[in-house]
Amino acid sequence: NAGVTQTPKFQVLKTGQSMTLQCAQDMNHEYMSWYRQDPGMGLRLIHYSVGAGITDQGEVPNGYNVSRSTTEDFPLRLLSAAPSQTSVYFCASSSQGMDTGELFFGEGSRLTVL
Amino acid sequence: GESVGLHLPTLSVQEGDNSIINCAYSNSASDYFIWYKQESGKGPQFIIDIRSNMDKRQGQRVTVLLNKTVKHLSLQIAATQPGDSAVYFCAENIGANDMRFGAGTRLTVKP
Repeated sequence: NAGVTQTPKFQVLKTGQSMTLQCAQDMNHEYMSWYRQDPGMGLRLIHYSVGAGITDQGEVPNGYNVSRSTTEDFPLRLLSAAPSQTSVYFCASSSQGMDTGELFFGEGSRLTVL
Repeated sequence: GESVGLHLPTLSVQEGDNSIINCAYSNSASDYFIWYKQESGKGPQFIIDIRSNMDKRQGQRVTVLLNKTVKHLSLQIAATQPGDSAVYFCAENIGANDMRFGAGTRLTVKP
């Protein structure tokens, strides 16, 4: 059972470039979310989804887009990368809701924007 | 030893000792709390959770205590082992589909 799989694990971008961070889960979880983790700060919610076709903004959504066309996949798109988006990104999924149950996290994607 | 969560982000203990990691949460309306463990280069892993209708919950070698009066959460690890070295986060639910995570406490276990 793979759980939550994120790709790529590492990425370097130039300012203004766009890219997509991929996230897939094989646990048939309805709830999925993206967080960013910066030094000295807790995980901050970027976007989340409560099911296929439904997405919503979290605490820090600016500069990111998401879509949820299937239950399994929840890609995060950076439209025009900025140095402030240098961070480690984590995708998570849950069967019970992100505020009422365990979150299963991927291994993370480390992004550097030059 | 004890850690005050955000105010003392590192805790060093001797192997075999008990560890206590503290966390002050912000929202008096929060009714669900989780502790996560994050090893270097990995994603957070669930350790234990507790709901606000409880003040104590025990797992395997871990105990979470909740004091709603002072909005305080603690994680106790019994007989700490080298494999327990990691960053530990507390999280509280602050609204629908939103958990607020603390910055974490780094636990180092000395052999």
